[in-house]
Formats: sequence, structure tokens, C-alpha cells
Amino acid sequence: EAEVAQSPRYKITEKSQAVAFWCDPISGHATLYWYRQILGQGPELLVQFQDESVVDDSQLPKDRFSAERLKGVDSTLKIQPAELGDSAMYLCASSPFRDRSYGYTFGSGTRLTVV
Amino acid sequence: SQQGEEDPQALSIQEGENATMNCSYKTSINNLQWYRQNSGRGLVHLILIRSNEREKHSGRLRVTLDTSKKSSSLLITASRAADTASYFCATAFMNRDDKIIFGKGTRLHILP
Repeated sequence: EAEVAQSPRYKITEKSQAVAFWCDPISGHATLYWYRQILGQGPELLVQFQDESVVDDSQLPKDRFSAERLKGVDSTLKIQPAELGDSAMYLCASSPFRDRSYGYTFGSGTRLTVV
Repeated sequence: SQQGEEDPQALSIQEGENATMNCSYKTSINNLQWYRQNSGRGLVHLILIRSNEREKHSGRLRVTLDTSKKSSSLLITASRAADTASYFCATAFMNRDDKIIFGKGTRLHILP
């Protein structure tokens, strides 16, 4: 069964350092999402790509977060500088549908701990 | 907040019993979805029910939707240890570009 690949699975970084996460969606899925999930909460959307274009980054803290999907396939989410409050699970999801009301396939996530 | 709210926050039942979780929301929706998340893992899409549907089944899962009460329920029958997970409802609200918003989840623990 096709999966959304994410790496690394776990990341520990010091405050003020830069950190990056990688996501490879299911082949052929044009829509890609990055979510942040704080422990005990539901996921919150950070950014949505349609192919290589950002279609929604309204909840992305742009002063420190950036995301790219240069060739419309895999994607990178970066945080610089990391803050203690960024500790969370970062989830990538993809969908073959442009309409974002349909179900997504999620990766296993990257657990970030900022110390 | 417009997100769906699950109830209860946590639930422990004996293996073999049925588990019921509820989700309430405040504004009109296009559809409502349920996801499962095993500890430390990503979310798995379980079922999507549209606003014009009242009930859907998938294996041991039964989802109902009552748009007049703005609520949904997820029933897991004959629970198994492997059903231990967090369950989230996600609502696609009308007039919000179909953006889906997740609730805080119900943590289900199946006791052996």
C-alpha cells in the first residue's frame, strides 16, 4: 500500500538552531499538507501545496517557518530559529484531490523536541 | 472555535465491548470525517460521511450524522486491543473553502 514518507522520525534540537523536515507524498498526489500537532491536541494546518504552489499558508508563522515543494513532488518544512514552543509532531499528508474536504493520507510524522 | 469537539476525552472499555465516541460542531458542514491515530504515529482516515447522509458502515465501524443536532457518533463494535488509539473527528465547514478542522480527539483504551 502506498505511503507518505517522512523523515526524520525524531529530532531533538537546541533552541535557536535551524531544523528541517522532509516529506515524500504518495506518487501522483498533487495536494500536499503540513500539519502541526501539539501533544494532546488535534492537528492544525500549517501550509497546503497544490503541485508546487502554496495555496494556503495563513497559519504558517512566516517569521520562522518556511516550506517549499520545488518540483511539485517532495516537500521540505524548515524552522529557523527553533523555539521551545515548536516542540510538537509535524505531520505531512497528501491527497489526489484538489478539493481539500476529502480524506487525506498521513505520514508517520516527525516528533520535534526543542531543548 | 469552529472545530468539532469529541466526547468523551478519554474512554476505557473491556475488550469485546462496543465503544461509542461523539463529535459536536457549531456551523454547517459539507462532510465530517473520522481518523484514528495510534500512539506516536500519523493519522489514518477511517470514514467520511457527507452532510446528506445519516449513517455509514465500514467493517466494525458505524458512523451516524445528525445535522439537526450538529453531531456525529462513531461506534466500534466488538472492540479489540488493536483499537486502542486516539480518534479524531474532522469537519469540512461550508463557507471556509472546505478546509477541514480537527477536534482534540478521544483517547480510547481497550482493556484486556
